[in-house]
Amino acid sequence: KQEVTQIPAALSVPEGENLVLNCSFTDSAIYNLQWFRQDPGKGLTSLLLIQSSQREQTSGRLNASLDKSSGRSTLYIAASQPGDSATYLCAVGTSYGKLTFGQGTILTVHP
Amino acid sequence: GAGVSQSPSNKVTEKGKDVELRCDPISGHTALYWYRQRLGQGLEFLIYFQGNSAPDKSGLPSDRFSAERTGESVSTLTIQRTQQEDSAVYLCASSLVGLAGLNSEQFFGPGTRLTVL
Repeated sequence: KQEVTQIPAALSVPEGENLVLNCSFTDSAIYNLQWFRQDPGKGLTSLLLIQSSQREQTSGRLNASLDKSSGRSTLYIAASQPGDSATYLCAVGTSYGKLTFGQGTILTVHP
Repeated sequence: GAGVSQSPSNKVTEKGKDVELRCDPISGHTALYWYRQRLGQGLEFLIYFQGNSAPDKSGLPSDRFSAERTGESVSTLTIQRTQQEDSAVYLCASSLVGLAGLNSEQFFGPGTRLTVL
């Protein structure tokens, strides 16, 4: 059974810092990996999708990497801003595109 | 609208009643998914539709849960004889295609918050 773990569970940083969120998964037979952010009381917003054949994806200040063989992904956020405060979720896609989610990292960026 | 929509946004019901939750996916998306998120817990996969068929129902927690999709569009998740443990946020997602590929990115709706008293 696929299990996804995210570290740290919570992170508080001052504005402007670069930070890294970690995600690990137990079964390397994945099709893709997707990073989301979830704001309180709202749905999930897709940030980045990495196909299993890819090593990384970039979108603005976000960069996600994937090492399928070791079962790891990282989300790098450059020059963090208070508006980045949210819960960040990592999810791995397996058969039929079903996503298995981690518990999330709660990020707080303070001015 | 351009995104996934769900209704109702909130539903309060009494234990033992049946409820129906609706999802309107992004137009043209062939794949549709239901997930739920209990308070303080991660998201759990419930069911996946490709077109109007459901090849993966492995996440449905009991036979009180059922779902259908019609016209390769709207989907309804039905919970019969609701229990307090069914209280959760039910999220729907859609993607252009359901299998691995460049268009498999899932887009989520805002969810339905179900409270069973």
